[in-house]
Amino acid sequence: QKEVEQNSGPLSVPEGAIASLNCTYSDRGSQSFFWYRQYSGKSPELIMSIYSNGDKEDGRFTAQLNKASQYVSLLIRDSQPSDSATYLCAVTRSGTYKYIFGTGTRLKVLA
Amino acid sequence: DVKVTQSSRYLVKRTGEKVFLECVQDMDHENMFWYRQDPGLGLRLIYFSYDVKMKEKGDIPEGYSVSREKKERFSLILESASTNQTSMYLCASRDPTEGYTFGSGTRLTVV
Repeated sequence: QKEVEQNSGPLSVPEGAIASLNCTYSDRGSQSFFWYRQYSGKSPELIMSIYSNGDKEDGRFTAQLNKASQYVSLLIRDSQPSDSATYLCAVTRSGTYKYIFGTGTRLKVLA
Repeated sequence: DVKVTQSSRYLVKRTGEKVFLECVQDMDHENMFWYRQDPGLGLRLIYFSYDVKMKEKGDIPEGYSVSREKKERFSLILESASTNQTSMYLCASRDPTEGYTFGSGTRLTVV
């Protein structure tokens, strides 16, 4: 079992729809969770971080964390073609420096 | 904004050459990381450094070494480049609360 798992996609959604990206992790000691967006040929950039159970909203993005079920998700409301990218989930344990990344989900927003 | 600068965007080297990849950050971060990213395999940690002159192996250190003589600079060294080291190399710097900031990446081709 991979430490951090994501469906590779592509996930295709029409413009204006909600895109839902999911990530599961195996280490129950994981404490911090991050979503990165990576455009083709570019480096990852941080979108959201979440540390406690529940929802965290930032503009059109909502991160959801459920530690009991060991999953974290990212919702993108009102999806735009410019949101088309690969989304990487990363997790880390408290007190460590290392992030464990999933392999990413490719999102396509269709105009 | 934190800036992480990687010295080369594209690099072509010959098999057996010694290759240096440089990374500089401007925010006085203690933690710096080198990853490589390959299709289907995601981001894999090569080495990281939690302070000047301190380093730890990541998941795939074989064939690589690192140097951190100054806080702002973290260098990745390919001792004798091989074709299986053709990859995108990403440097990251970590803020304890903000997470990783990545450099723009170096696409290395070994021929």
